[in-house]
Amino acid sequence: GNSVTQMEGPVTLSEEAFLTINCTYTATGYPSLFWYVQYPGEGLQLLLKATKADDKGSNKGFEATYRKETTSFHLEKGSVQVSDSAVYFCALSGKAAGNKLTFGGGTRVLVKP
Amino acid sequence: DAGVIQSPRHEVTEMGQEVTLRCKPISGHDYLFWYRQTMMRGLELLIYFNNNVPIDDSGMPEDRFSAKMPNASFSTLKIQPSEPRDSAVYFCASSLDVSGGTDTQYFGPGTRLTVL
Repeated sequence: GNSVTQMEGPVTLSEEAFLTINCTYTATGYPSLFWYVQYPGEGLQLLLKATKADDKGSNKGFEATYRKETTSFHLEKGSVQVSDSAVYFCALSGKAAGNKLTFGGGTRVLVKP
Repeated sequence: DAGVIQSPRHEVTEMGQEVTLRCKPISGHDYLFWYRQTMMRGLELLIYFNNNVPIDDSGMPEDRFSAKMPNASFSTLKIQPSEPRDSAVYFCASSLDVSGGTDTQYFGPGTRLTVL
């Protein structure tokens, strides 16, 4: 079945540092890949997505590239802000699982001033 | 649009009581999902509906849980009787379409349930 593995947190870094959160997946066929973000006390919201190999999703300074050869979708941001402190979830959606979202365990990021 | 609306935001109840969580999806969205989030198990899909019809309830933990969607603008998740291990944050989400696997799911703010 489908599965998503992402690095465990928490990840603590200083403002303006470079952020990378690793995400790898297992899926049959060609899934779509997503990053969702959950700010404290809120629901999840879509950060970015990519629907086919080599696509790059980007939003709010975050980027992730769909790498089929390494089955990865790593999230990066060049200069984080305190407001980026949140939990980040990698997820996939594929026809083999009825197009339901399969989430990774989440990575908590804390950015200090 | 107001987004996905859930009520109540917080619920504290005692073991054995019935709990009903409510969700109003985004207007025009055909799919509605119920998730549960806990520290131990992360995010779990409980059930989802398409055009008010339950499609997959394989994630519903046991018979104490039931979900309904009487119309396109309202869904409930009921737990009867509730147990302390049901304590979690329950999210409702909706999307336009999932047939292509690319559509965004929009999440509500969640209901934090505590069963004493």
